[in-house]
This record gives sequence, structure tokens and C-alpha cells, in this order.
Amino acid sequence: AQSVTQPDIHITVSEGASLELRCNYSYGATPYLFWYVQSPGQGLQLLLKYFSGDTLVQGIKGFEAEFKRSQSSFNLRKPSVHWSDAAEYFCAVINAGKSTFGDGTTLTVKP
Amino acid sequence: EPEVTQTPSHQVTQMGQEVILRCVPISNHLYFYWYRQILGQKVEFLVSFYNNEISEKSEIFDDQFSVERPDGSNFTLKIRSTKLEDSAMYFCASRLYGNTEAFFGQGTRLTVV
Repeated sequence: AQSVTQPDIHITVSEGASLELRCNYSYGATPYLFWYVQSPGQGLQLLLKYFSGDTLVQGIKGFEAEFKRSQSSFNLRKPSVHWSDAAEYFCAVINAGKSTFGDGTTLTVKP
Repeated sequence: EPEVTQTPSHQVTQMGQEVILRCVPISNHLYFYWYRQILGQKVEFLVSFYNNEISEKSEIFDDQFSVERPDGSNFTLKIRSTKLEDSAMYFCASRLYGNTEAFFGQGTRLTVV
């Protein structure tokens, strides 16, 4: 069965610093991978997705993610974090339309 | 841009009452889903629906839950007799046949008191 692991429950970074959120997946075939962001009490906003092709994908709000098959990873990165990036981030894998989410990583941004 | 719409955004109900959460999927989509997120936890799959029947459901989706597509546009989740532990955010999603990406609604926050 497919699964997603986000090893970091909580990450704190200073505003302007770089960010990397980790995501590891377990899936037999080529996975379809997603990153979502969720502000408190709000819905899920899609940041970016990977289906195939270029392993470095660009998303909204300056985020990017790199698919590494050898490491079963799909880590999310941002070169310079803004205070408004503080939120919960979820990695997800899709199989036949059904999404499996990781536990999420809470990002805190220090001034 | 087409989007999945959920109503209401927040519903408060008394324990034991029935609730119906409503979703309007993207108009040409054929596959529909409900997910649940208990506060502070991850998003969990509840049920998938295609061709007017349930195609898959999770352990969470027990007999107190049901789904329906009563007309050509709405997709509903009914909880027959709510419990305190049903308090959560419920997300509806839809996808187009042959396209694996699912589009999520903004969610309905259900509070059972």
C-alpha cells in the first residue's frame, strides 16, 4: 500500500533563510506526488505536483520540489522564507485518484 | 478557474443529530471523494464514488456514513447520528476521468457539541 512519511513534525526557520521540508514515499510504480499548504482553519492549497518528466518542479509562492526516485523522496524547498509561509505543509501521493497524505510539517517563521 | 465548492463552511450540530455536508464538484468530473481531517491531524481518506456507487471506502466510513449524488451537480456526505469524535474538517474532492489529480474544496468544519 502507498504511504507518505514526513519525518519533521515541526520546523522553525528565520525569515529570509532557506527551507527544506522532507517527504518520503512508498509506492510500487512511478508516483504522482503533491505538496499542499494549509493555514489554520483553512482548506488545502496545492503548491506543486509531480507526474513525470523533469524531476525539479516549480510551484506557486516561490516553492520548488525535487523528485528523487533513488531516495524515494520529494522534498520541498524555498530559497528565502517569508513570514507568511508559516503554515502546515502536507505531502501526498495519489494512486488511481485516491490521495494518501503525510502527517504534515508545521512551519514556524521567526522574525 | 473551475473549483469544488463546499457548503456550509462551518456547521455546529448536537450529538446524535444527522448532518448533511454538501459539495458541488467540478462540472465535468466523474470521480468524487470525501476526506476527513481531525484538528491537528493529517487528512484521511473516507470514500470514493464513481458511476453512482461507492468504489472504495476506508475503515472510518462505517454504517453511520453515507454518500449520495442526488442530482447532476451535488455530492453529499451524510452522518446519521453524529458523535463528538466526528468533529473535524471534511474535504470534498473531484477528478476528471483519466486524470489523476484531484481538486479539493475548501472544506466544511463540523463541530459536534
